[in-house]
Amino acid sequence: AQSVSQHNHHVILSEAASLELGCNYSYGGTVNLFWYVQYPGQHLQLLLKYFSGDPLVKGIKGFEAEFIKSKFSFNLRKPSVQWSDTAEYFCAVNVPGSARQLTFGSGTQLTVLP
Amino acid sequence: DTGVSQDPRHKITKRGQNVTFRCDPISEHNRLYWYRQTLGQGPEFLTYFQNEAQLEKSRLLSDRFSAERPKGSFSTLEIQRTEQGDSAMYLCASSRPGLSLGEQFFGPGTRLTVL
Repeated sequence: AQSVSQHNHHVILSEAASLELGCNYSYGGTVNLFWYVQYPGQHLQLLLKYFSGDPLVKGIKGFEAEFIKSKFSFNLRKPSVQWSDTAEYFCAVNVPGSARQLTFGSGTQLTVLP
Repeated sequence: DTGVSQDPRHKITKRGQNVTFRCDPISEHNRLYWYRQTLGQGPEFLTYFQNEAQLEKSRLLSDRFSAERPKGSFSTLEIQRTEQGDSAMYLCASSRPGLSLGEQFFGPGTRLTVL
């Protein structure tokens, strides 16, 4: 079965700092990869996704993620964070052709200081 | 889209009682998922429906848990003889053909506290 690791549990940054959140997965075959975000008081929502093709994918609000197959990683990045990026970020995987559920990591709480 | 709705938003119950939660997916979404999230963890998959058929159940879903989606629209999740370990946020999500697999729309969740 697949699993997802997010090693940073809580990240604190000042506005305009660059962000990189780590995500590693364990599964030997092809996976679909996702980042979901939960802003304070809001529902989980999709930030970006990767299925195939260009390993650098862009999502909403200036976020991007890079899939590195050899490292089983799908790190989330943003060059300059804003206070409004304060949220919890979850990496998730789905195995194509299998049951359709998402397997989530434990999440990273990002706090951006104004 | 009016969004996925869940009811109730909060439930406090005593150990041993039965509880039932409801999820109303986005209207044209035929796929429905239940997840459980405990403090400091990401959501964990419980079960999946396509229309009214329950196609997948996690081993997390013990025999005290049952989920239904009788008409392929709303779904209910019942927990019988609740235990303190059942305290968690129960999330519902929905999806539809045409959306990429894994792209799911989540509801606000039902927070269960078992005393």
